[in-house]
Amino acid sequence: GESVGLHLPTLSVQEGDNSIINCAYSNSASDYFIWYKQESGKGPQFIIDIRSNMDKRQGQRVTVLLNKTVKHLSLQIAATQPGDSAVYFCAENPSGAGSYQLTFGKGTKLSVIP
Amino acid sequence: DGGITQSPKYLFRKEGQNVTLSCEQNLNHDAMYWYRQDPGQGLRLIYYSQIVNDFQKGDIAEGYSVSREKKESFPLTVTSAQKNPTAFYLCASSIGGTSGASYNEQFFGPGTRLTVL
Repeated sequence: GESVGLHLPTLSVQEGDNSIINCAYSNSASDYFIWYKQESGKGPQFIIDIRSNMDKRQGQRVTVLLNKTVKHLSLQIAATQPGDSAVYFCAENPSGAGSYQLTFGKGTKLSVIP
Repeated sequence: DGGITQSPKYLFRKEGQNVTLSCEQNLNHDAMYWYRQDPGQGLRLIYYSQIVNDFQKGDIAEGYSVSREKKESFPLTVTSAQKNPTAFYLCASSIGGTSGASYNEQFFGPGTRLTVL
């Protein structure tokens, strides 16, 4: 099969536009999800989280949507700024309450065009 | 300032050498984790520890070892048995353990980039 190798999915948006980054998760029993932002050469930073008893959660300029029916998570960034350029990872807690492990997706690279 | 630190930022290793990566946190977190990240890839779990003096293998533990003698510290040793150790290594911590919290985010350190010469 095709290896994703070094080629991350990339999303390019114009500064000021809204961005939507998508993530398909694998485990229907997962009940906690996080979005992280990783700038080049740095560790991931927490953006927002959501539990499975919610379908939407809003933060400052960010919104996470959860669709458990199709196991899909999305991150919406309003009025995207150059400082938003980074790789964005979704992570799921695969084992339910009481487990502290997270499983990470491969990431999406967001490039903001000034 | 509370946080999680890793050292060194860059590390070079000759083939056949063991090297140890440091991870320290002052967040009073029970749980700590080590991940490996390769270019264009997500994070893969090497080892994790939910409490002092206890640790578990993750998905790619072969060629690595850890210890958890203190709550604040979770060093990772990359042994000569690890065939392809060049990667970006990330340490994380979360409240976990005895807090009773079921859901907890992981806080990451700045990472150590290991290169085999």
